[in-house]
Amino acid sequence: DAMVIQNPRYQVTQFGKPVTLSCSQTLNHNVMYWYQQKSSQAPKLLFHYYDKDFNNEADTPDNFQSRRPNTSFCFLDIRSPGLGDAAMYLCATSRVAGRQFFGPGTRLTVL
Amino acid sequence: DQQVKQNSPSLSVQEGRISILNCDYTNSMFDYFLWYKKYPAEGPTFLISISSIKDKNEDGRFTVFLNKSAKHLSLHIVPSQPGDSAVYFCAASDTGANSKLTFGKGITLSVRP
Repeated sequence: DAMVIQNPRYQVTQFGKPVTLSCSQTLNHNVMYWYQQKSSQAPKLLFHYYDKDFNNEADTPDNFQSRRPNTSFCFLDIRSPGLGDAAMYLCATSRVAGRQFFGPGTRLTVL
Repeated sequence: DQQVKQNSPSLSVQEGRISILNCDYTNSMFDYFLWYKKYPAEGPTFLISISSIKDKNEDGRFTVFLNKSAKHLSLHIVPSQPGDSAVYFCAASDTGANSKLTFGKGITLSVRP
């Protein structure tokens, strides 16, 4: 089945220790997104790629970076995680506009 | 500034009855609206959508109504089933501008057997 896959599902890191979350898709969609979701809050868009074009949200901290080496894969790098970065990180894809398909998410814990 | 608002954090409904989930938006440029359902420890899954050229879209037990003048949409689930218990997110998009979705905070629906 075509899908969006996120690894790992659960990630524990230490304060200040870099961490990378990965996302892959078999849908061959042009656009890939990274969201941060904290409890009882709306998913917050961090950035998205339209093909190789990177689009950063204005309020995304510099601590968050992303890479998209090819159509199928996208990575979220958190350079120096703080306690406030503990959250669910969701990857999503779409063709151009409209419906987005989400992965299962990675739950990040920062100790 | 929240552009998509789901003002009720939770809703409890008896099995078999109707669930009505509400959503308001402030951006008049939004022209496409979606509802997503999310179970714990899973990503959101698409439920139903509606374009601004319509005022109603139906898919089985799920119907979405759009009132553009009031900037309001609602999701009706009838009859409600215990498996419908989840968090429901309303999302909106200005498809003429880009592919981004703006989400509400979600509403937790509990369907009592």
